[in-house]
Amino acid sequence: IAGITQAPTSQILAAGRRMTLRCTQDMRHNAMYWYRQDLGLGLRLIHYSNTAGTTGKGEVPDGYSVSRANTDDFPLTLASAVPSQTSVYFCASSARRTGGLSSGNTIYFGEGSWLTVV
Amino acid sequence: KQEVTQIPAALSVPEGENLVLNCSFTDSAIYNLQWFRQDPGKGLTSLLLIQSSQREQTSGRLNASLDKSSGRSTLYIAASQPGDSATYLCAVLGSSNTGKLIFGQGTTLQVKP
Repeated sequence: IAGITQAPTSQILAAGRRMTLRCTQDMRHNAMYWYRQDLGLGLRLIHYSNTAGTTGKGEVPDGYSVSRANTDDFPLTLASAVPSQTSVYFCASSARRTGGLSSGNTIYFGEGSWLTVV
Repeated sequence: KQEVTQIPAALSVPEGENLVLNCSFTDSAIYNLQWFRQDPGKGLTSLLLIQSSQREQTSGRLNASLDKSSGRSTLYIAASQPGDSATYLCAVLGSSNTGKLIFGQGTTLQVKP
């Protein structure tokens, strides 16, 4: 089934540990994004990538890093997890063309990764 | 800084009722606006996307309108059904062209049978 796959679905992590959330899409979308969703704060962009080999910082990038070695994969790494990183993390992708999402391309979301840092 | 607000935060209606969800944004310089649906414990599903040059989009029982000058969008749901129960989020794409969507906090809809 075409779409976005995130792993793990959920994880409890000790503070200070390193964690990588995986995201893979099979739609050959050039743009990918990581959001976190928190009660009362909504969805906030962490990092994004407009094309393989490039990444950019979103609204809340501190404590997170990403890489985009190829079109399909966009892992998100927490180098040293802290309790404030407890959240639901969503990976998303779109077939972003030169005009960006203004070209009319829809953004697709994965099912989320529930992360608890204790 | 773009801010997106959705009112009401929660809404409960009987089945069959027509309803309107509201979304407002502070900066009218947007490329487009999208409405999403999110079921509990799930990801977001795109419902409708309105380009900045468009006034409305329709899909089935859903109709979304956009008034850039006033910074408003509405999502109209006709003949609501219990299966429409979910959280509805609107998001705008600004002029920075990073693909950064700014989301509202959503309206949680409950349709009672």
